[in-house]
Parts: sequence; structure tokens; C-alpha cells
Amino acid sequence: AQKITQTQPGMFVQEKEAVTLDCTYDTSDPSYGLFWYKQPSSGEMIFLIYQGSYDQQNATEGRYSLNFQKARKSANLVISASQLGDSAMYFCAQEFNQGAQKLVFGQGTRLTINP
Amino acid sequence: GAVVSQHPSWVICKSGTSVKIECRSLDFQATTMFWYRQFPKQSLMLMATSNEGSKATYEQGVEKDKFLINHASLTLSTLTVTSAHPEDSSFYICSAKSWELTYNEQFFGPGTRLTVL
Repeated sequence: AQKITQTQPGMFVQEKEAVTLDCTYDTSDPSYGLFWYKQPSSGEMIFLIYQGSYDQQNATEGRYSLNFQKARKSANLVISASQLGDSAMYFCAQEFNQGAQKLVFGQGTRLTINP
Repeated sequence: GAVVSQHPSWVICKSGTSVKIECRSLDFQATTMFWYRQFPKQSLMLMATSNEGSKATYEQGVEKDKFLINHASLTLSTLTVTSAHPEDSSFYICSAKSWELTYNEQFFGPGTRLTVL
């Protein structure tokens, strides 16, 4: 069964610093997708970035980049120049079962940006 | 961007009553909709997957007779929690996806907080 692991329950970072949120996954499927979502206190899930298993390059979206190491089965999220508004829960998710394309989520990491 | 709405945003009900939650894709046709449940300080757990015009597929451990899902059109899915009990109190989030959209990602609704007294 697919499993997503986020080992950092909480992270505290100084404003303007870069932060890396860890995510490892476990799958035997050759084709899969990896997502990162941000969940502020309001509860909405905000899509940040996507990495396909066959993508040759690491995904980037503005201040977000994904450090994809396929052999290690890790897909860490890097946020550059952190801002106070980045404080939120962050979830890594893997898309599996290609037909239905369901998502399984990690436990989440609560990121707090300090001024 | 693609927008998904949920109604109501919060609801409080008495034990034993039924509650209906609506999920709508506002500017795209959702070929598939998903329903998740999130308990406090926990992650999202997929409850069921629904495709327009067909029966929902429930995840293991989710009672289909308790959580009724109807995906009547390409823009609307409803989740009805029947005979709700306090242990059903949770944050319910829907998502929708379409082959028309980039990355084939899921777009999430804002969630519905259910409290059963």
C-alpha cells in the first residue's frame, strides 16, 4: 500500500530564510504524481506544486521548488525567502491508482514563520 | 483558476439527524469528485470517489449507507451524513478534478465543519 511520511510535525523558521519540508513515499508503481498542498487555519487546501515520476527536472513554482530524489523516494518542498503568510500546515500527497487517481496524504508539517 | 465551492461552510446538528453537504465546481466540469474527512490535528483521509452518473466508490472502513454520495451532474456532488452521531463531527472537504486542467490536479473546496451534539 502507498504510504507518505512527513517526519517533521513542526518547523520554526525565521522570516526570509529558506525552509525545507521533508516527504518520503513508498510505492512500487512506476508512474505516479507527487503534490504539495498548503492548509492555512481557514482549512482550505491550496495547491502549491506537482512533480511527475517521469519528469526529468525538479518542479518549480515561484518561491516553491521540489527536491525530487527518485532513487531515495523523497520529494522535499523547498520554500525560499519565507514570509509570515507561509505559516500553515503543509501536506505532501501521492497520487496512486492511476485509473481513479486518488491522493494519499502525509501527516503534515506545521510551519511557523517568526518575524 | 478552477474554483470549487462547498455549502454549508459549517453546520451544527442534533444526534440522529441527517446533514447534506454540497460540493460544486464553479467554472469547470468535474469528471471526478472526492470526499475527504479531516479530524482535528490530523491529515485528510479519503472517504469516497464519485464519478458523474455512477455509484461512488468507498474506501475501506467507510460505511456507504451512512455516508450517501450523489454525483448528479458534472458540477455537483452531495454528501449526506445519515443519522449523525458526535463521532461524525469532523471537517469534510471535497475536491474535484477534470482532464481539461493542468497537472490533472485536484481542486479543493473550502470545507464544511460538522458538529454533532
